[in-house]
Parts: sequence; structure tokens; C-alpha cells
Amino acid sequence: GAVVSQHPSRVICKSGTSVKIECRSLDFQATTMFWYRQFPKKSLMLMATSNEGSKATYEQGVEKDKFLINHASLTLSTLTVTSAHPEDSSFYICSARAPGGRPPYGYTFGSGTRLTVV
Amino acid sequence: GQQLNQSPQSMFIQEGEDVSMNCTSSSIFNTWLWYKQDPGEGPVLLIALYKAGELTSNGRLTAQFGITRKDSFLNISASIPSDVGIYFCAGQNFGDMRFGAGTRLTVKP
Repeated sequence: GAVVSQHPSRVICKSGTSVKIECRSLDFQATTMFWYRQFPKKSLMLMATSNEGSKATYEQGVEKDKFLINHASLTLSTLTVTSAHPEDSSFYICSARAPGGRPPYGYTFGSGTRLTVV
Repeated sequence: GQQLNQSPQSMFIQEGEDVSMNCTSSSIFNTWLWYKQDPGEGPVLLIALYKAGELTSNGRLTAQFGITRKDSFLNISASIPSDVGIYFCAGQNFGDMRFGAGTRLTVKP
């Protein structure tokens, strides 16, 4: 079935540096990918929707210059947290949707990335 | 935006007991989904519901899509220790999927 690989699973970075998180669809082409952020013991909050070959659509309150999303191919989307600060520490999860896909094939989640900014 | 109210927030049960959790919304959804998330992992889909009134089972799990399209419930029968985790409901309209706050389930052996 549909597999989404997210890398890295954990990253610790210094304040002020940038971190890139990758989300790959391994056995299908994903025209649309989604990036979520999850705080401890909280639900998933949609940050942005990325469409292959076009600009990402950001949810209200999400800084597009802070969280750069690139979806350059049908199998890869990246989220770059720029100039990270401790308040950016969180669990980031991607999901991918195949064209014309219907759940469950349509929405598959990566295993998440735990970002800690020190 | 669309808000999903999921309850209960947490449950502590004995192994073997049945569990029920539900999700309500002020808006209509075309699809309801139930996910389970283990610590440090991404959510895994348990059940997807596509039609109002639909009742679907997956092993010991049963979920229903409410007639009004504004609610859904998930039942787990005869719980076992590996049922521990956070269960999320999600409502979907076309490309937009929103999550409930989650139900944290603890199962005591």
C-alpha cells in the first residue's frame, strides 16, 4: 500500500539555524502533500498544503517565510524551518495524497519529525 | 474554520472492556476518518467512512458516519493493552481534512 517516508525522525538544532524535513511518497505519486504541526498532547494542526509544481497554500497564522515548503517533484516535499527558535520545537508530520485518491489510499502519514531547538 | 469536538479527552479502562468515543462538528463533512497515533509516530488510518449512516467494522473496531453528516463514533470492543494510544477523528471535504483533539486511551491489564 501507500507508504510515506519522513526524514529525519529526530533533529536537534541550535537557535538561529535552519532545518529541512523531507517527506517522500515511496510507491505512489503525490500531487498534494500536507504539513502538520503537533504540540504535546494536542491534535494535529494543518500548517500548509503543497501542490507539485506550484506554491504552497498556508493556513492562517502560519508564516510562509518561516516555514518554507517546496514540492518540486511528485514524490518529494520538503519543509524548511528557517532561523529556528525554541518555540518552533514541535512534532512535524506530513501526509501525502495520490491523484484521484480516496481514503485510505489518498491520505497516508509519515512517521513524523521531532524538532528540538536549543 | 470547521471545528471538530472529540470526546472524551481521555479514558482509563480495564483490559477486556469496550470503549466508545465520538466526534461532532458544526459543519457537514463528506468523509469521516478515524486514526490511531502511537507515541512518536504519525497517525495510522483505522477506518474511513464515506456515506451518511454508514457503519463499518475493522476487527474489533466499529465506526459510524452520522446521518446528519456532522458526527461520527468509534467503538472498540474487548480492549487489549496494545489499544493504548491517541485516537483522532478527522472530517474531510475534498482536499481539506480537519482533526479532532484526540482521545487518549489507557488500558490497564
